Amino acid sequence: DAKTTQPPSMDCAEGRAANLPCNHSTISGNEYVYWYRQIHSQGPQYIIHGLKNNETNEMASLIITEDRKSSTLILPHATLRDTAVYYCIVRVARGGTGANNLFFGTGTRLTVIP
Amino acid sequence: ETGVTQTPRHLVMGMTNKKSLKCEQHLGHNAMYWYKQSAKKPLELMFVYSLEERVENNSVPSRFSPECPNSSHLFLHLHTLQPEDSALYLCASSQEGGGTGELFFGEGSRLTVL
Repeated sequence: DAKTTQPPSMDCAEGRAANLPCNHSTISGNEYVYWYRQIHSQGPQYIIHGLKNNETNEMASLIITEDRKSSTLILPHATLRDTAVYYCIVRVARGGTGANNLFFGTGTRLTVIP
Repeated sequence: ETGVTQTPRHLVMGMTNKKSLKCEQHLGHNAMYWYKQSAKKPLELMFVYSLEERVENNSVPSRFSPECPNSSHLFLHLHTLQPEDSALYLCASSQEGGGTGELFFGEGSRLTVL
């Protein structure tokens, strides 16, 4: 069963911020939120992850609500190369490799428009 | 270069053939995964080898047989496949039990079954 829900598609103007939402209302206390993206026919690429605090790296920012039931991935200045499918998954980061912990879902197809 | 190398990148085989997909990771990780991605479908976890233990998705048919001779190498042996097995097969690795748990994916092996 899917543990996350995401909109199937979004558009974003080039140079603007892209805000990708994810709902994970059944997240457990020891589960992290991970974001990956997959550019057409390539392997998925790790973007960022977090537990409960907001996180930022060179690629994106991750905002997690206080109740941890949802999160938003922010690409601050979207470029055409950010066009991809973005996956939000929840999993245990330490020692949990059971199949149920690694479900990717259908993701959000982000299209950056010139 | 992601540190996870898959060969071959493309494979065409008949339904009676026997072939193998190979994955090698150069990251010192202790867990490796096989995923299947069919057209317009989400990533499907097939097998996990973690700390020398194997976990599998029970829905994967027996015509797919994984082998993990050591922590750096992972194979997927294919025999008597069906046309619906045509897909992108992705290998990934991660460091479990102390790392961040992020998955590093290879570029995939695109399989066509005739």
